[in-house]
Amino acid sequence: DGGITQSPKYLFRKEGQNVTLSCEQNLNHDAMYWYRQDPGQGLRLIYYSQIVNDFQKGDIAEGYSVSREKKESFPLTVTSAQKNPTAFYLCASSTTLIGRHEQYFGPGTRLTVT
Amino acid sequence: GNSVTQMEGPVTLSEEAFLTINCTYTATGYPSLFWYVQYPGEGLQLLLKATKADDKGSNKGFEATYRKETTSFHLEKGSVQVSDSAVYFCALIDAGGTSYGKLTFGQGTILTVHP
Repeated sequence: DGGITQSPKYLFRKEGQNVTLSCEQNLNHDAMYWYRQDPGQGLRLIYYSQIVNDFQKGDIAEGYSVSREKKESFPLTVTSAQKNPTAFYLCASSTTLIGRHEQYFGPGTRLTVT
Repeated sequence: GNSVTQMEGPVTLSEEAFLTINCTYTATGYPSLFWYVQYPGEGLQLLLKATKADDKGSNKGFEATYRKETTSFHLEKGSVQVSDSAVYFCALIDAGGTSYGKLTFGQGTILTVHP
């Protein structure tokens, strides 16, 4: 089955620690995305990547970093510089074909920092 | 810039009732429009889409028609079930013919269906 996997589903960290969230897809999609969702709110774009070894900042990139060394993988690191890291993090992917931009989402990782 | 506005929730209905969730948008170009659904504790699932004016997207009994004249993409279902209880997000991509377009979301509408 093709899809997007995120691990772990729940993650707990102490303040001041960096943490890396995993995202893997086997849909053969070129583009991948990271979003943050806070309770009762919509999704906000953190970073996106259209191709291997290239990525761009989204609307709320401060305190986050990413890498894209393989087409299938787009890990997100939440650094200690992120002031309010507790949130639900969603990874997505899509093709880059004109008119086929719908994004498909993984199940999410809920990060709690205390 | 682009924006999406959804009707405020929560929406509470009885089973078999008719559902409408309003969605209007502002875009500079010719966007593609989407409805996503999010069940508790899960990621978003693409429910339906429409890529040009007057297109109707449909899936699992849900429908939405791309109305350019009113810049709207309202979600409807004739008879809701308890299992439809979820958060529904309206979204758009305005790619302008390029290979990438930013997905802009509405704030989400919580739907609760009672037996």
